[in-house]
Amino acid sequence: GQNIDQPTEMTATEGAIVQINCTYQTSGFNGLFWYQQHAGEAPTFLSYNVLDGLEEKGRFSSFLSRSKGYSYLLLKELQMKDSASYLCAVLDSNYQLIWGAGTKLIIKP
Amino acid sequence: IAGITQAPTSQILAAGRRMTLRCTQDMRHNAMYWYRQDLGLGLRLIHYSNTAGTTGKGEVPDGYSVSRANTDDFPLTLASAVPSQTSVYFCASSEVMAEDNEQFFGPGTRLTVL
Repeated sequence: GQNIDQPTEMTATEGAIVQINCTYQTSGFNGLFWYQQHAGEAPTFLSYNVLDGLEEKGRFSSFLSRSKGYSYLLLKELQMKDSASYLCAVLDSNYQLIWGAGTKLIIKP
Repeated sequence: IAGITQAPTSQILAAGRRMTLRCTQDMRHNAMYWYRQDLGLGLRLIHYSNTAGTTGKGEVPDGYSVSRANTDDFPLTLASAVPSQTSVYFCASSEVMAEDNEQFFGPGTRLTVL
């Protein structure tokens, strides 16, 4: 079966750095996405990785290792507005997104 | 209209009733999707459409039907609602169903079936 695993909840301090991990087992791989979802709102796109390595975009970076079935999202200089759920999703061989349950990130002052 | 709109925002429905959730996008995207999101579970794909006139089944299609008569609209119908269909429903679209095509999401419809 297809499976995406990520921690249910994480807590971090404003101004700090946090890494949210995602491991996956899917039928085929056409890329991995990270989305942000604030409570009661729709998911919004953060990043896309299809090749191994680190993609940096401002305060957010995303890493992929296809051989290990592993990705992480790194958030630097945390701000209170970063409190949200972070969703990992893999594009499978049918170009359908398989979603993890999301990691709820709580930022404390 | 800018992006994707969904209607209604929320709805309470009696079991056994028929309900259509509406979704409209103005980005001329070819691909559209319907997901449901339940607490503790990831988004699950109900149905999708690669292009106007075609539809396909996702992970959890039972009890739901869709149509894609034109590029902009992708309604989701529950023929006879059951309590297990209580969920938040998101419509999404992307340029095509391919690599690196991010999906854009509507604001969601919160549906409660009693």
